[in-house]
Amino acid sequence: DAKTTQPPSMDCAEGRAANLPCNHSTISGNEYVYWYRQIHSQGPQYIIHGLKNNETNEMASLIITEDRKSSTLILPHATLRDTAVYYCIVRPLVGGSNYKLTFGKGTLLTVNP
Amino acid sequence: EAGVAQSPRYKIIEKRQSVAFWCNPISGHATLYWYQQILGQGPKLLIQFQNNGVVDDSQLPKDRFSAERLKGVDSTLKIQPAKLEDSAVYLCASSSQGRGHGNTIYFGEGSWLTVV
Repeated sequence: DAKTTQPPSMDCAEGRAANLPCNHSTISGNEYVYWYRQIHSQGPQYIIHGLKNNETNEMASLIITEDRKSSTLILPHATLRDTAVYYCIVRPLVGGSNYKLTFGKGTLLTVNP
Repeated sequence: EAGVAQSPRYKIIEKRQSVAFWCNPISGHATLYWYQQILGQGPKLLIQFQNNGVVDDSQLPKDRFSAERLKGVDSTLKIQPAKLEDSAVYLCASSSQGRGHGNTIYFGEGSWLTVV
């Protein structure tokens, strides 16, 4: 079972920031927060991940609360091509069978012109 | 760097027939995953390999699904006999290590299966 809760859908205007929330209240100390997205008819695409510090890369920023129970993915200037299902996933540090990604239903982000 | 390659991209078969999907992971990636994604749902892990050994196949319907990774590189997922409910996208993914931290998993484009 997925250990995260996300809204089923969100809308955003093109050019504006998209802020996608995720709750992971049962996250443990050895688990990362990962974000993937899946554009229609494509495989999931890695966006960003973090443990407890905020992270930024060329695609997005990840803000993790101090208690690590929730996070927000920020797309600073959303474009129509950012329309996709966004998955927030917690994943342990150690390997073995628990090292897989367990997907929930994600959030369908629709960027409107 | 080449990504995860999968084939065929699309396949339509009749129920009770068999089908095989092939995956070539990113070069050097020791861990390989097969996921099943039914329309409207998130991907579900079927099997995970570490080199040529199985780490997790708890969600693989072993009466009809089989997978192998004989030389620790390419992998094949087979369904025999197929059922209507097997209609889904079959995603292959790979990562560089099964242990350690922060090892990103990369996905292929998927193989779309329709069973009629």
